[in-house]
Amino acid sequence: GQQVMQIPQYQHVQEGEDFTTYCNSSTTLSNIQWYKQRPGGHPVFLIQLVKSGEVKKQKRLTFQFGEAKKNSSLHITATQTTDVGTYFCAGPTSGTYKYIFGTGTRLKVLA
Amino acid sequence: EAGVTQFPSHSVIEKGQTVTLRCDPISGHDNLYWYRRVMGKEIKFLLHFVKESKQDESGMPNNRFLAERTGGTYSTLKVQPAELEDSGVYFCASSQSNSNQPQHFGDGTRLSIL
Repeated sequence: GQQVMQIPQYQHVQEGEDFTTYCNSSTTLSNIQWYKQRPGGHPVFLIQLVKSGEVKKQKRLTFQFGEAKKNSSLHITATQTTDVGTYFCAGPTSGTYKYIFGTGTRLKVLA
Repeated sequence: EAGVTQFPSHSVIEKGQTVTLRCDPISGHDNLYWYRRVMGKEIKFLLHFVKESKQDESGMPNNRFLAERTGGTYSTLKVQPAELEDSGVYFCASSQSNSNQPQHFGDGTRLSIL
């Protein structure tokens, strides 16, 4: 079945350092969504990418969708302690509204 | 607008008992999803409703799990009888009509089976 993997699984960074998480799907995705879950919280929608090669920015966050629409990345510039949490990508299975979530990358920011 | 609400927030029951989780989606959202996250691992899809119809229940672990969405509004997820491996956080999410809409998650129900 379709799989969505993320690397790394964990990342500890010093505050002010950059951070990147990568998302890889075994199948082509019509779109990809990114979510952030704070410790003890629930996933919160960050952004959606639809077009091949699309790049979107939200302040210090940069999201990219691969040309083949099978991979994506989230880059955070100059991390802050508020960036702590687990970042998930999610993509729909072909022809359905069923979203497969990636394995998640847990980010810890050391002050 | 009110967000997705889930009840209860926590539930602790013994193996063999029955538990029913409830989810109230955002008003007007046709899509309703149930997910489970176990021990900090990935968020696993359980099933998807469009209005009152089950579109996809391929993620339901076994026949001890029963989900309903009568009238296409709130949904319930019943586990009967509960087993130890059913412990985890059960999230409900809702979204508007087509697949390119963000999912809004509830706070989840933390289920512990003793």
